[in-house]
Amino acid sequence: GQQVMQIPQYQHVQEGEDFTTYCNSSTTLSNIQWYKQRPGGHPVFLIQLVKSGEVKKQKRLTFQFGEAKKNSSLHITATQTTDVGTYFCAGRANYGQNFVFGPGTRLSVLP
Amino acid sequence: NAGVTQTPKFRILKIGQSMTLQCAQDMNHNYMYWYRQDPGMGLKLIYYSVGAGITDKGEVPNGYNVSRSTTEDFPLRLELAAPSQTSVYFCASSYSDRGEGYTFGSGTRLTVV
Repeated sequence: GQQVMQIPQYQHVQEGEDFTTYCNSSTTLSNIQWYKQRPGGHPVFLIQLVKSGEVKKQKRLTFQFGEAKKNSSLHITATQTTDVGTYFCAGRANYGQNFVFGPGTRLSVLP
Repeated sequence: NAGVTQTPKFRILKIGQSMTLQCAQDMNHNYMYWYRQDPGMGLKLIYYSVGAGITDKGEVPNGYNVSRSTTEDFPLRLELAAPSQTSVYFCASSYSDRGEGYTFGSGTRLTVV
């Protein structure tokens, strides 16, 4: 079945440093979503990417969908302590199928 | 709007006991989902529903049952609880499956001892 992997599993950064997490799928995806989960909280939807090579920005966050639609990345510029949490990607091979979540990347930001 | 409401927030069950996790949404969403989250394992889909009266199995349905008698409610039933069901359970909803993103509830932390 479809598998979604994320690297790294953990990332510790100093406040102000940049951070990137990568999401890789075993199959070509129709669309991919990104979620953020604060410690002790629930996942919150961030964005969806649909087109090959698509790049979307939300303030300091930049999301990219690979040309082959099998990978994606989330880049945070100049991290802040409010960025702490686990970032999940979720992808699906076709519309109508359920999304498969990756295991997440846990980000800690040292002040 | 309250969004997605889950009750209870915490529960300890003894092996073999049963319980129902409640989930309600007030956003008139058609699609509802139950996930479990184990440490470092991401979210695994247990059951989902595309509308009232329609439910289907997800990736890890064994040991669970669901019903969807109304658009608003999607309870998850655990029969004969086992330690392997110790997890955090999240209910989520979406208006469609076009990918507008799921709205998650705050979760139920279940421990089976």
